[in-house]
Amino acid sequence: QVQLQESGPGLVRPSQTLSLTCTVSGGSISSGDYFWNWIRQPPGKGLEWIAYIYYSGATYYNPSLKSRVTISLDTSKNQFSLKLSSVTAADTAVYYCARAYPTTWPFDIWGQGTMVTVSS
Amino acid sequence: QSALTQPASVSGSPGQSITISCTGTSSDVGGYNYVSWYQQHPGKAPKLMIYEVTNRPSGVPDRFSGSKSGNTASLTISGLQAEDEADYYCSSYTSSATHVVFGGGTKLTVL
Repeated sequence: QVQLQESGPGLVRPSQTLSLTCTVSGGSISSGDYFWNWIRQPPGKGLEWIAYIYYSGATYYNPSLKSRVTISLDTSKNQFSLKLSSVTAADTAVYYCARAYPTTWPFDIWGQGTMVTVSS
Repeated sequence: QSALTQPASVSGSPGQSITISCTGTSSDVGGYNYVSWYQQHPGKAPKLMIYEVTNRPSGVPDRFSGSKSGNTASLTISGLQAEDEADYYCSSYTSSATHVVFGGGTKLTVL
């Protein structure tokens, strides 16, 4: 049974870079059957898709965040990562990693989420 | 402002049925049968309840059903139970640059 687990600092200073990692267990990130995604949810608000990466290394970003986001893959560790630069208080949110089927886009497996607060 | 429009809240009594709507455009909901629905309890990750408009993943009760007409998709929960009280989000593939869009969420209260 595939499981996803986010990890990373819970507090980031304004203007710094937020870095998170998602570890995939119970299945291979290199299987080629899925997109691996980051999604966030500000406190009390809705969901916002951030980016995905495919096993080949192909990436796609939400245009509203593209200039600040980098997503990468480490197949040796079965992990994928998110970096969000120049953060502000508006980037405070629960960050989720999630698996999605290409084309039809249901996010069928989610990590538990990790709260990241941007504050000095 | 979310790309897909959902009512902020709905409510129903145990045993009743409720329907949550999700309105988009011909570029997303109306153009593709790629609408999904998620249930989110407080402090928990979203859980996939419906995919491709009408399909239920294994383990999701058949009390949950999905449909679509034009640019509006709907989630119906029949035989409401206390544990159904949660936030519900719709999402859809979109031909716009974001690829996927979410609704703003609907809080379901079981009275």
